[in-house]
Amino acid sequence: EAGVAQSPRYKIIEKRQSVAFWCNPISGHATLYWYQQILGQGPKLLIQFQNNGVVDDSQLPKDRFSAERLKGVDSTLKIQPAKLEDSAVYLCASSLTGTSGNYEQYFGPGTRLTVT
Amino acid sequence: GNSVTQMEGPVTLSEEAFLTINCTYTATGYPSLFWYVQYPGEGLQLLLKATKADDKGSNKGFEATYRKETTSFHLEKGSVQVSDSAVYFCALGNNYGQNFVFGPGTRLSVLP
Repeated sequence: EAGVAQSPRYKIIEKRQSVAFWCNPISGHATLYWYQQILGQGPKLLIQFQNNGVVDDSQLPKDRFSAERLKGVDSTLKIQPAKLEDSAVYLCASSLTGTSGNYEQYFGPGTRLTVT
Repeated sequence: GNSVTQMEGPVTLSEEAFLTINCTYTATGYPSLFWYVQYPGEGLQLLLKATKADDKGSNKGFEATYRKETTSFHLEKGSVQVSDSAVYFCALGNNYGQNFVFGPGTRLSVLP
């Protein structure tokens, strides 16, 4: 089966510009996650969707970050305006279900963002 | 809030050595615990998991036991190979599939 797809793989922008990342989860996976992974750190959950509804966005900097998952399939994460500290790898993951502890997240290859 | 602490790396071992990577956690309730691995140039992938106390997760010769009394989930392997060189992340999530938290990762290098 096809894995989680993300694009672009790399992006370089200047501070105060905007950027968008796209994610296509594994077919049939109801839950979709966006993580931010700063170099040398573990992934930090930004937002979690169950179908097209938001389950958790408590760590999403809502003044500059936004995300949507229209029709419960693909998702887009946007940053506007970008800051230097947003330089990181943005990971998308999906899972079949988010209940009973019997879930496994499948990760995409990530988008490496550099803000100059 | 929930948190995960891992031993700092990098860890460098010779092939066939015994591996332990320590992981302790702080969480409300009874979370599920995971080890993810990131091989060079690849994405994160699940290595093993345990969903309740005293469960042992195992895969590819790696093992970890969910110890509620010590809030730990240490990763072990009896004989490492060069191909095990990677970054290992300990993580937890609640049993509703929410509140995922990852540790900072431990880089393992295995020398021939």
